[in-house]
Amino acid sequence: EIVLTQSPGTLSLSPGERATLSCRASQSISSSSLAWYQHKPGQAPRLLIYGASSRATGIPGRFSGSGSGTDFTLTISRLEPEDFAVYYCQQCGSSSCTFGQGTKLEIK
Amino acid sequence: EVQLVESGGGLGQPGGSLRLSCAASGFIFNNYVMRWVRQAPGKGLEWVSAISGGAESIHYGDSVKGRFTISRDNSENTVYLQMNSLRAEDTAIYYCTRAYNSVFDYWGQGTLVTVSS
Repeated sequence: EIVLTQSPGTLSLSPGERATLSCRASQSISSSSLAWYQHKPGQAPRLLIYGASSRATGIPGRFSGSGSGTDFTLTISRLEPEDFAVYYCQQCGSSSCTFGQGTKLEIK
Repeated sequence: EVQLVESGGGLGQPGGSLRLSCAASGFIFNNYVMRWVRQAPGKGLEWVSAISGGAESIHYGDSVKGRFTISRDNSENTVYLQMNSLRAEDTAIYYCTRAYNSVFDYWGQGTLVTVSS
């Protein structure tokens, strides 16, 4: 099973700042299988990025994804108040899926 | 508009059973893999199970294998999760999701399962 490790566990930033979230896979994965989600309390998770770098429908341009192999990054260029949430990376193989443990983005 | 509505959550006894349902609408149901994902209190997201459009391919996470059974009724646009031999660690919000390749592109609002005596 592929393990996804996210860092940092918690990121404290202010609105307007740039956020960089990391996701590292225990072995090389196809970029096409890597996705990022945003999760706020009391809501369903929301797909942000798929295929490592493609924005999902309706996702603002300040969200971008990059990476390949074992190292992937979600970048939020200028934080808006509504961006403070927990972020998960995720991958699926032929018979199972895994999520990273999450990065909590909190207001500084 | 794609909609996924879960039901069937509630209080279950340790060793007991519950069946979750997910009613889907707004897309051609039998064209899509459906998956269940859960989130235990204070924990992250965990993939639970997946079923292909025609139910020919089914997979489970290690923590539920042998205890949970996923199924679907394409005539009713509904996917189910039969949960047997419940344990305290199965306490979680259970989300029904639609799969597009490796991606969970639509999510229901979730149903809470609490396992306690």
